[in-house]
Formats: sequence, structure tokens, C-alpha cells
Amino acid sequence: GESVGLHLPTLSVQEGDNSIINCAYSNSASDYFIWYKQESGKGPQFIIDIRSNMDKRQGQRVTVLLNKTVKHLSLQIAATQPGDSAVYFCAEMKEYGNKLVFGAGTILRVKS
Amino acid sequence: DSGVTQTPKHLITATGQRVTLRCSPRSGDLSVYWYQQSLDQGLQFLIQYYNGEERAKGNILERFSAQQFPDLHSELNLSSLELGDSALYFCASSVVSGGAYEQFFGPGTRLTVL
Repeated sequence: GESVGLHLPTLSVQEGDNSIINCAYSNSASDYFIWYKQESGKGPQFIIDIRSNMDKRQGQRVTVLLNKTVKHLSLQIAATQPGDSAVYFCAEMKEYGNKLVFGAGTILRVKS
Repeated sequence: DSGVTQTPKHLITATGQRVTLRCSPRSGDLSVYWYQQSLDQGLQFLIQYYNGEERAKGNILERFSAQQFPDLHSELNLSSLELGDSALYFCASSVVSGGAYEQFFGPGTRLTVL
């Protein structure tokens, strides 16, 4: 079946350093790729998205890179802060307004 | 605050019982999605409604059903509950028009089946 990033690794970074969270996806027909952040006890929160016809998109302190050749998605967080500690999920959407297919997630721990 | 509300926040029940989870989407959002989050399966799409009509189905068990009412709120009904149904259930809503597709998630309902 469909799958996006079947691992749940933990990434520990020092406050102020840059973080890179990776995700592998399997459906090359997806149109949109999205990163969500989930803090403890809360629902997933939208961070940034990228369309399949783009390679890179930047937001505030975050950058998403898409490599369709190897079906790889990454989220870069600049100057990581303690408030960035959370579980990060990549997700894909095959069609506009369709369901999200989530990866397993990555735990980001920021050390002060 | 995403603007999506879910009730109840916590629900503890016994095997074989039936429960109803409620979701109110953001004002103006026509589409509602239900997701289940468990330790072994991660975040899984269950079902989507758009303006009262079922639009897509995912890995939803036959014991589960949902509906979206004219005021656009949605309910997820879980029956003949099993221990394995214990999970977080999230509702999300989106506009799905005019180039906007971002799904906004509610705080979830934590279901514990004993």
C-alpha cells in the first residue's frame, strides 16, 4: 500500500544549531508534500508544503527540499529552538483536497 | 488554536461498547477528515466528508461509521469496541477551494478501551 517514511528516528540537536529531518516517500504520483509538527498532547500543525513541480521552498526558519529522483523530502530548521521540540511528520497528498498519507514521524529533541 | 474543536477530549470505555466522537470544523471549511493515531500504525486516514457527502474512505473498519451534518459538524461512531481501537482520533478540516487545501487538525480525542 501507500507509505511515507516508515521509520521513527530521534534527532537530538543543540539549541542554535540547524536541524535536518528526512523522509522517504513511495508514491511518485503525489502532487503535494507537507510537513507537520505535533507537540505533546496536540494535533498536527502545518509547517510548510511544496508542490511536486518544485525542488525547494522556504518559510520562516524552515526550508523544504524535494528530490523526486530518489523520492526524498527533507525539512531544514535554522537556529533550532527549544520550542521546536516535537514529532515531525511528512505527508503527501495525491490530489488537491484529498487525504493525507503520513510518514511514521521523527522526534526532534533540542538540548539547551 | 486551529479553530477545529473535538469532543470529548478523553473517553474511557469497555470492550463491546459504542462511542461517538464529535468534530466541529473551522468556520467556512466544507471538508472534514478523520484520522486515527496509534503507536503501531501511526497516523492513518479513516474517512473524508465534503459538504455532507462521503468523499473518500481509507482504512476504516466496518464497525466504524461517520457522517457530516447540514451545519458541517461531523461525528465518528465506533461500535463493538476492541482493545486495539484505543488510539487518538483526530479530525481535520479544510476549505478545498481557491487553491487552499491545508488541513487544520483539532486537538484530538483520546479513546481508551479497557
